[in-house]
Amino acid sequence: QKEVEQNSGPLSVPEGAIASLNCTYSDRGSQSFFWYRQYSGKSPELIMFIYSNGDKEDGRFTAQLNKASQYVSLLIRDSQPSDSATYLCAVNVGTGGGADGLTFGKGTHLIIQP
Amino acid sequence: DVKVTQSSRYLVKRTGEKVFLECVQDMDHENMFWYRQDPGLGLRLIYFSYDVKMKEKGDIPEGYSVSREKKERFSLILESASTNQTSMYLCASLRGSSYEQYFGPGTRLTVT
Repeated sequence: QKEVEQNSGPLSVPEGAIASLNCTYSDRGSQSFFWYRQYSGKSPELIMFIYSNGDKEDGRFTAQLNKASQYVSLLIRDSQPSDSATYLCAVNVGTGGGADGLTFGKGTHLIIQP
Repeated sequence: DVKVTQSSRYLVKRTGEKVFLECVQDMDHENMFWYRQDPGLGLRLIYFSYDVKMKEKGDIPEGYSVSREKKERFSLILESASTNQTSMYLCASLRGSSYEQYFGPGTRLTVT
């Protein structure tokens, strides 16, 4: 059974600080890793994906992957109140970017305090 | 802009009814998915499809079936709705060579 674990939070971070969100996964066959953001009452939207060990940066967001430790993280720099949302970590087993569907963690609720 | 639409935003059905949830995408995506989202359980994959007439079971297919007769449309069927199928149902689509699944707005189904 594939499992993706996240701390449910809430994680409270002051505006302008770095928010660090963490995720571990159980299946060593996982190849692609995703971070989705979900505002209350809305659908998930993709922030970033990563499939190679190391860091991947996109604007204020950095995804970090460590396959040996089965660990993936998301850093949000210069956190804004608009970043307050639930962040979902997801993994795909197999080739491709998710054609077999994704296994999601339960999400971390992030609150950015003005 | 990719658009994934779902037939209803809110739906209330009675136990034992046959329920159809419809999903349509307008970007010619090969892959489509049905998930359900429940508090404390997160998003879970019910069924997915690689192409027309193709379907694969996800993690929780029991009590559900699907139909994909046209590329743009993917239907989720609850043969005999039960109260434990009360949930938010999310449809998604994906271009085969891509990484981004686009989600629809969701259907909140209540079975009484």
